[in-house]
Amino acid sequence: QVQLVQSGTEVKKPGASVKVSCKASGYTFSSFGISWVRQAPGQGLEWMGWISVYNGNTNYAQNLRGRLTLTSDISTNTAYMELGSLRSGDTAVYYCARDRRGSGSYFDYWGLGTLVTVSS
Amino acid sequence: QSALTQPASVSGSPGQSITISCTGTSTDVGAYNLVSWYQQHPGKAPTLLMFEGSKRPSGVSNRFSGSKSGNTASLTISGLQAEDEAEYYCCSYAGSALYFFGTGTWVTVL
Repeated sequence: QVQLVQSGTEVKKPGASVKVSCKASGYTFSSFGISWVRQAPGQGLEWMGWISVYNGNTNYAQNLRGRLTLTSDISTNTAYMELGSLRSGDTAVYYCARDRRGSGSYFDYWGLGTLVTVSS
Repeated sequence: QSALTQPASVSGSPGQSITISCTGTSTDVGAYNLVSWYQQHPGKAPTLLMFEGSKRPSGVSNRFSGSKSGNTASLTISGLQAEDEAEYYCCSYAGSALYFFGTGTWVTVL
């Protein structure tokens, strides 16, 4: 069965960077892209960006361009989300999701989420 | 562009039907038949309920149905059950390889 297993909780200081991993199993990793979605405490879902695992192409939400970097490693079936210049407003649960872009444009499997806390 | 607009909350009694609206613009909801819906219970990850506006993934109850008219998509839950109490989010492809989520709707089963 399809699974997306994310790395554990992170606590970072303002100005630092965080890198969250998302290890996929149960399907051919290179056949689907990965999107990242975050959810601040008590708030709604925010789409952050997408990476094509096949060719490494990326798209980022406008408000995160310049701070967000998405990468993937086919050899380990792992996608990564790195967010830099962290601020308190980046405190959130970060989810990875398999992106069915090009065949309906939706997210059919989600990781359990990684809590990132930004605090001095 | 910003988040799609959903009512903050909707409620209904067991067995009743409720509808959640999701209003966007002519550049997202109105431009594409690519609205998806997600259910999120507190403390849990979202799960897919509907894609391409009205298609249910396997395993999702047929009590859930979707539709779209103009710039507004809708999710209807029929035969409301206690387990349906959760947050519901719409999401639309918005061109230029971007997505926007709705503001979220909390469904209360009275």
